[in-house]
Amino acid sequence: GENVEQHPSTLSVQEGDSAVIKCTYSDSASNYFPWYKQELGKRPQLIIDIRSNVGEKKDQRIAVTLNKTAKHFSLHITETQPEDSAVYFCAATLSGAGSYQLTFGKGTKLSVIP
Amino acid sequence: DTGVSQNPRHKITKRGQNVTFRCDPISEHNRLYWYRQTLGQGPEFLTYFQNEAQLEKSRLLSDRFSAERPKGSFSTLEIQRTEQGDSAMYLCASSFPGTGEKLFFGSGTQLSVL
Repeated sequence: GENVEQHPSTLSVQEGDSAVIKCTYSDSASNYFPWYKQELGKRPQLIIDIRSNVGEKKDQRIAVTLNKTAKHFSLHITETQPEDSAVYFCAATLSGAGSYQLTFGKGTKLSVIP
Repeated sequence: DTGVSQNPRHKITKRGQNVTFRCDPISEHNRLYWYRQTLGQGPEFLTYFQNEAQLEKSRLLSDRFSAERPKGSFSTLEIQRTEQGDSAMYLCASSFPGTGEKLFFGSGTQLSVL
């Protein structure tokens, strides 16, 4: 089955700096890679996703890049703000196979210091 | 709130007791998932329904766990003879037919087995 590794487990940045979280996956058949944000005590929420036919995707201050050859993908947050503080999870799946069973990484706790 | 609803939010039980959780997905969503999340880990897939049919179960899912979605709307997850290792957050998610891989999570049921 799929295995997703996520690094770092914790990340502290100054407000306004950039943050980068990296994930690697094991199953070369995986073709859909979402990122979820989970604030303390709240539900995970999808913030951005990327499919394997795309190398990069941006949405305002967040972007995701994918390297299929190396089987890794990254989340980039620019101009970080205190409200970006949360746990971020990457995930991978083979979309279109009928299940969409996501395999998640262990999460990165991002702290943005004002 | 028109999102995914889970009840109860918290459940404390004694080892050996049975517990049941309920999930009400977003009304137009035909796919429903159960995940389990322990402290410091990402959500772990348990089982998946498309309408009323349970199409996939994790190999890791003990036979003490059973899930139903009798009319293709709400779902229940029952754990029989609970063990301390069952203590976790149980998350339900649903997805829309056209975008099946984009999961909308509920706030979860936090189970504590004493």
